[in-house]
Amino acid sequence: SAVISQKPSRDICQRGTSLTIQCQVDSQVTMMFWYRQQPGQSLTLIATANQGSEATYESGFVIDKFPISRPNLTFSTLTVSNMSPEDSSIYLCSVADRSYEQYFGPGTRLTVT
Amino acid sequence: AQTVTQSQPEMSVQEAETVTLSCTYDTSESDYYLFWYKQPPSRQMILVIRQEAYKQQNATENRFSVNFQKAAKSFSLKISDSQLGDAAMYFCAYRSARGIWGAQKLVFGQGTRLTINP
Repeated sequence: SAVISQKPSRDICQRGTSLTIQCQVDSQVTMMFWYRQQPGQSLTLIATANQGSEATYESGFVIDKFPISRPNLTFSTLTVSNMSPEDSSIYLCSVADRSYEQYFGPGTRLTVT
Repeated sequence: AQTVTQSQPEMSVQEAETVTLSCTYDTSESDYYLFWYKQPPSRQMILVIRQEAYKQQNATENRFSVNFQKAAKSFSLKISDSQLGDAAMYFCAYRSARGIWGAQKLVFGQGTRLTINP
């Protein structure tokens, strides 16, 4: 199984600023996924990141707001730009392995004041 | 588009008893995967059990088992001999088997908060 780490684990940010979340996997994976979990809600996919190409964003999410980098097969970053209180959520990184199982990082709890 | 529905926002059970969490889904596909994930207060998403749609046999993992009814598009989770450590948010999730392998996203239900009473 894949082991995923995320940094930071939590942060409190001011409105209008940006935060970059890092996701590191202990093995090479083709696809990495970024999910958002708003308070008390379920998980919603933000985008899928494939190494060497532009990320694919889900409806309702745009690159200007959530730029993603995927420089290699074990690392990705998600930036939450120009933050507002509505961006307060848990952001989770996820990968799928060849056993068809999907693994999640511990999440980053973001609070925007 | 596929949807997943969990109609029980909260459930509670006495320790050592059995509880069943419900999940229904909507899809036009015939080949897919279904999952139950557990999310304790630590936020870590933990895979509990997985079911391949092409398999008629219900998946079982120790105290956790599913009742997969493909025609009814139902996928319930049964937890036997409930333990205090089972207390968590449980999410049902769907993943298509189509498309680029490894690129298929998970579609989650709204979640069921399970409380275990000692």
